[in-house]
Amino acid sequence: DAKTTQPTSMDCAEGRAANLPCNHSTISGNEYVYWYRQIHSQGPQYIIHGLKNNETNEMASLIITEDRKSSTLILPHATLRDTAVYYCIVRVYGGATNKLIFGTGTLLAVQP
Amino acid sequence: GAVVSQHPSRVICKSGTSVKIECRSLDFQATTMFWYRQFPKKSLMLMATSNEGSKATYEQGVEKDKFLINHASLTLSTLTVTSAHPEDSSFYICSARARRSYNEQFFGPGTRLTVL
Repeated sequence: DAKTTQPTSMDCAEGRAANLPCNHSTISGNEYVYWYRQIHSQGPQYIIHGLKNNETNEMASLIITEDRKSSTLILPHATLRDTAVYYCIVRVYGGATNKLIFGTGTLLAVQP
Repeated sequence: GAVVSQHPSRVICKSGTSVKIECRSLDFQATTMFWYRQFPKKSLMLMATSNEGSKATYEQGVEKDKFLINHASLTLSTLTVTSAHPEDSSFYICSARARRSYNEQFFGPGTRLTVL
């Protein structure tokens, strides 16, 4: 699976949009971009995933560049409860044994 | 959404003893389960992948005789840390992939193991 690069940490003001970038320049055509987050001392929580089109759900939006070498996770109105480590992962869609390999992630600190 | 539970949530044991951690998928069948460990301020590290009814596949550097994994049914996997030592103290997290979709993977809340 392709490797991802994320900033170590980011701050965001409560109520503002949080934009978390991720670089995945070696992504291949059959790899999807997944985002998970981990609130302190809890298991990771799925947020969203996509291939090449932008995706939106009740939690966030995922913007993938046309060349698919980078993406941005957008939390439209960050709250204090969104403070967590956010992981961007690329992996092949489907397959019985494919694995989620976590990188270092971005620690998002939402400030009051 | 699908729920994955772990038991116990926290365990303290003496050095040299064995500890068993259970992972259950509560409302779905999981053909594949994964075990991760996480040290403080570090990312999750995949330890092993297990499929129901077959032997687990361990990641490089993970001792299979120390971390025994049993995936006895479509809803239960166990991780046994044998002859635990203080360096085994960590946060252990399981994850289950739904039988209905290889692309949905859900995580348990984790088990904090402290070895004295």
